[in-house]
This record gives sequence, C-alpha cells and structure tokens, in this order.
Amino acid sequence: EIVLTQSPATLSLSPGERATLSCRASQSVSSYLAWYQQKPGQAPRLLIYDASNRATGIPARFSGSGSGTDFTLTISSLEPEDFAVYYCQQRSNWPPAFGQGTRLEIK
Amino acid sequence: EVQLLESGGGLVQPGGSLRLPCAASGFTFSTYAMGWVRQAPGKGLEWVTAISGSTTNTYYADSVKGRFTISRDNSKNTVYVQMNSLRAEDTAVYFCARGRRYGSGSHSDPYYFDYWGQGTLVTVSS
Repeated sequence: EIVLTQSPATLSLSPGERATLSCRASQSVSSYLAWYQQKPGQAPRLLIYDASNRATGIPARFSGSGSGTDFTLTISSLEPEDFAVYYCQQRSNWPPAFGQGTRLEIK
Repeated sequence: EVQLLESGGGLVQPGGSLRLPCAASGFTFSTYAMGWVRQAPGKGLEWVTAISGSTTNTYYADSVKGRFTISRDNSKNTVYVQMNSLRAEDTAVYFCARGRRYGSGSHSDPYYFDYWGQGTLVTVSS
C-alpha cells in the first residue's frame, strides 16, 4: 500500500505570498497524483490531476509539479479564499490513498 | 451542472446497518465510475469504496472489506453503499464522488474524484 506524506503539516503565510506544499510517496506513483482543496464544512475540490494538469475552472495561480515520489503544489500569489486544507491523492495503485493534509493558514 | 446528493446518514448502534444513496445529475451517469470517501471528525480523507461505470468492477478499502457493499442503479442515476456490522471507527462524514482517470493509465487503475457531494454524517454509537 502506497503511503503519501505531506509537509509541512501547517503553513502560515500572508495574502500575496507564494505557497509551496509538498507530497512524498512511499514508492513511485509515476505522474498519477492529484491535489484537492477543502474548506471548513465543505467537500473537497479537485485542483490538479496527473501531477500538473489543472482541473476545470481552477485559477492559473495553482500549479503542480513532480513525478515518481516527490510532488509540489504551488500557489503563486495567495488570495484570501486560498486558506484551506490541501490533500494529495495517488491513483497509481489500489487503494487510492490520500495524504494527511497540509493546513494553509493566514499569518 | 454536475450534482451529487447523498442521504441516509444518521445515528446507528454498533453492529447495526445503514444504506447511503447518492443521487447524481448533470452528466451521463452510466459512463462514469463512482466512489465513496469518508472523513472522521477533525481528520483527513479516507477512500472507502468505488465501482466502475458498468458495475463490473468494485473495489474496497481493507478497513471495510466484507462489511460494506457498493452498488449502482444506472436507470435511477444512483449509487449506494450498504454498510453492515458498523463500528465506532466508521463514524464519519461520507462523501459520494465521481471517479475519473482522464484517459491515462489502464482500465483497472484507481480513480481521481472530480466532483463531490456535500456529504452525509454517519454516527455509530450506543
């Protein structure tokens, strides 16, 4: 079973700053990695699939990179609505595991 | 517009059963895989189960295998999860989600989840 480890657990930044979130897989997942955003009381929203492709309607300030075991989600300039919890998820092997999440909070 | 609406959550005693339906609209239901993902209070996301569009293939997390059964009725645009022998650790918000592979990989690979319902809370407690 593939384990995804996200870092940091919490990231404190100000609006306008650049955010860099990391996801590391316990074995290669090729490029089969997604990123989701979840706000309190809401369902998750798919942001990025296949490591670097933005899902429908996702702003260009969100970008993903990486392959194999190391992946990054970058938010180029934080908007107030971007403060949320972010999860990565792999679909290389069953089960399609999620990381434990990174909380992006306002500094 | 894609919409997914879960229902059926509530309070159930340990060892009890519950069936959660998820009604879908806004897309050709039979051509998409569907899945359930849960979130225990204050915790992260945990994939639970998934079913292919044709109902040929079903998949389960080890934590629910043998206790939960996923099914779908393509004539009603609805996916279900039947949950038996419920335990306290099954307490969570259960999200229904549409599965996608975006055209890459093999037909037996897992899915991403591109649209989600708002979730229904299941509480297992005496």
